[in-house]
Amino acid sequence: DAKTTQPPSMDCAEGRAANLPCNHSTISGNEYVYWYRQIHSQGPQYIIHGLKNNETNEMASLIITEDRKSSTLILPHATLRDTAVYYCIVRGQKYTGTASKLTFGTGTRLQVTL
Amino acid sequence: NAGVTQTPKFRVLKTGQSMTLLCAQDMNHEYMYWYRQDPGMGLRLIHYSVGEGTTAKGEVPDGYNVSRLKKQNFLLGLESAAPSQTSVYFCASLTRRLADTGELFFGEGSRLTVL
Repeated sequence: DAKTTQPPSMDCAEGRAANLPCNHSTISGNEYVYWYRQIHSQGPQYIIHGLKNNETNEMASLIITEDRKSSTLILPHATLRDTAVYYCIVRGQKYTGTASKLTFGTGTRLQVTL
Repeated sequence: NAGVTQTPKFRVLKTGQSMTLLCAQDMNHEYMYWYRQDPGMGLRLIHYSVGEGTTAKGEVPDGYNVSRLKKQNFLLGLESAAPSQTSVYFCASLTRRLADTGELFFGEGSRLTVL
């Protein structure tokens, strides 16, 4: 799986959009970008994933650059409950060989404030 | 469906003792993973399994053993616990079905303290 780089921490005011960047410059053609978040000490929770096109669901939007070397997770109206550690990982969906070895980095600690 | 269940949720061990953490999933997932998370740190992969009877090493496998005798269960063993193994352990599972979203399903964690 391609390695990812994220800023260690970010702050965001409640009600504003939180934009969390992720660099994955070594991503290969069949690898997807996945985002998870971990609230307090709970198990990580899936947020969204994408391959090339931008994606949106009820939780967030994912913007992937045209060269696919970076992406941004957008929480459009951050709330205090969105305070968490956000992880960006890239992996293939064929789950063969090393594609099944799923590793997380240290993530970005997002602090949403009043 | 219970999803991914880890037992026990809390355990205190003395140095040198052994124990086994059990991860059970009822989603018929092919892939299962064990991670550890130290305070203020990210998740680190210990071992993983791509199917019944198969296991592979992750980033930090030393001091741990695993077994996947049944598809729904993935066991993590500590033969001789050390204080450095004090951590929160997370189990996760994943389906190989391409039609699925491909999301990892995590358990709630097992907090292990080694004195």
